[in-house]
Amino acid sequence: DVLMTQTPVSLPVSLGGQVSISCRSSQSLVHSDGNTYLHWYLQKPGQSPQLLIYRVSNRFSGVPDRFSGSGSGTDFTLKISRVEPEDLGVYYCLQSTHFPHTFGAGTKLELK
Amino acid sequence: QVQLKETGPDLVQLTQTLSITCTVSGFSLTTYNVHWVRQPPGKGLEWMGSMWNGGGTDYNSAFKSRLSISRHTSKSQVFLKMNSLQTDDTAKYFCARHLYYGYNLFDYWGQGVMVTVSS
Repeated sequence: DVLMTQTPVSLPVSLGGQVSISCRSSQSLVHSDGNTYLHWYLQKPGQSPQLLIYRVSNRFSGVPDRFSGSGSGTDFTLKISRVEPEDLGVYYCLQSTHFPHTFGAGTKLELK
Repeated sequence: QVQLKETGPDLVQLTQTLSITCTVSGFSLTTYNVHWVRQPPGKGLEWMGSMWNGGGTDYNSAFKSRLSISRHTSKSQVFLKMNSLQTDDTAKYFCARHLYYGYNLFDYWGQGVMVTVSS
């Protein structure tokens, strides 16, 4: 199985600040169709995960441009600028290039 | 609008079988795929398996032969069945719509059903 290593585990932030979350995979996430199926989700307390970024760098419908994704191959980053209260929660990366699909262990974004 | 809703027991006895239903609306099971993901309390997400729009299934080998996914298309329902439950199967179980064709992601999720395995 593809191991997804997310860092850091916990990320204290001040409102209005900027943060980055790293996600590294144990093998390349480039699919045979040429796409890289690496996505980012946010799970707020008591809620189900919500899609933020798909295929590395594409914002899902309604996601503000404060969120941006980058990376390639095995190394990916989610950046959040001008952090707002509604951004707090646990962020997960997901790879769906390989079976079984696997998630990172999560990064908890919390107030300093 | 697109909705998914999981229904199932709160409590299942050790070694017994878990059955959960995912009822969807706003889309057809013959057009979209539905996957199952679970989350133990305070822990991360684990992909369990998929029901493809053509009726095929795929499973995470971590569940070996314990897991079965089926559907009733006219009722817009997808079923998860897992036997020989252990305490570490205690988790919130989610169904999620899967968007394929170059996207290969989960765009809508149910609210999940929390299942406790009790001895």
